[in-house]
Amino acid sequence: GAVVSQHPSWVICKSGTSVKIECRSLDFQATTMFWYRQFPKQSLMLMATSNEGSKATYEQGVEKDKFLINHASLTLSTLTVTSAHPEDSSFYICSARTGKVSEGYTFGSGTRLTVV
Amino acid sequence: SQKIEQNSEALNIQEGKTATLTCNYTNYSPAYLQWYRQDPGRGPVFLLLIRENEKEKRKERLKVTFDTTLKQSLFHITASQPADSATYLCALYQAGTALIFGKGTTLSVSS
Repeated sequence: GAVVSQHPSWVICKSGTSVKIECRSLDFQATTMFWYRQFPKQSLMLMATSNEGSKATYEQGVEKDKFLINHASLTLSTLTVTSAHPEDSSFYICSARTGKVSEGYTFGSGTRLTVV
Repeated sequence: SQKIEQNSEALNIQEGKTATLTCNYTNYSPAYLQWYRQDPGRGPVFLLLIRENEKEKRKERLKVTFDTTLKQSLFHITASQPADSATYLCALYQAGTALIFGKGTTLSVSS
């Protein structure tokens, strides 16, 4: 089946530094990828929709200058958390669709970000 | 705006029993409704999808029902096993909008 690879699986960074998270579709092309954030015992909240070759679409309340998204190819989207603060600590997950509705969305394994 | 409620945060059952999880939504009926499984520290894994014009869908020990009148979906796991212990997420999709998730129900199956 479709696989989305996400790296790193966890990262600890100092406050004020930037962290980049990669999301790759391994066996299919994804013109659109989605970035979610999940806090403990909470639902997945969509942060932004990443479109290949164009600017990402951010959800209301998500700072686009803080969460930089780049979707330079049909198989790779990156999320960069800039000037990270402790409140950015969360579980970040990317997803993509193969194009077949019946296959649902394919999610990466997630990245646990801890800002100290 | 659309809201999703998975009315049980946690559900504990014995091995061999049928687990039934509930998903209710508040506004418009989605084009389709999906169920995912999420293990701790992992991304969700797609399980089943049911369209708004379908009443029931089955896949091995899993069954999903969709009642647009009640604005509710039920997710059943028959002959449950300890390996079924996980958090199950309900998600709604409507064209032109993002996939919206519920908070999930954490199922624990004891042997």
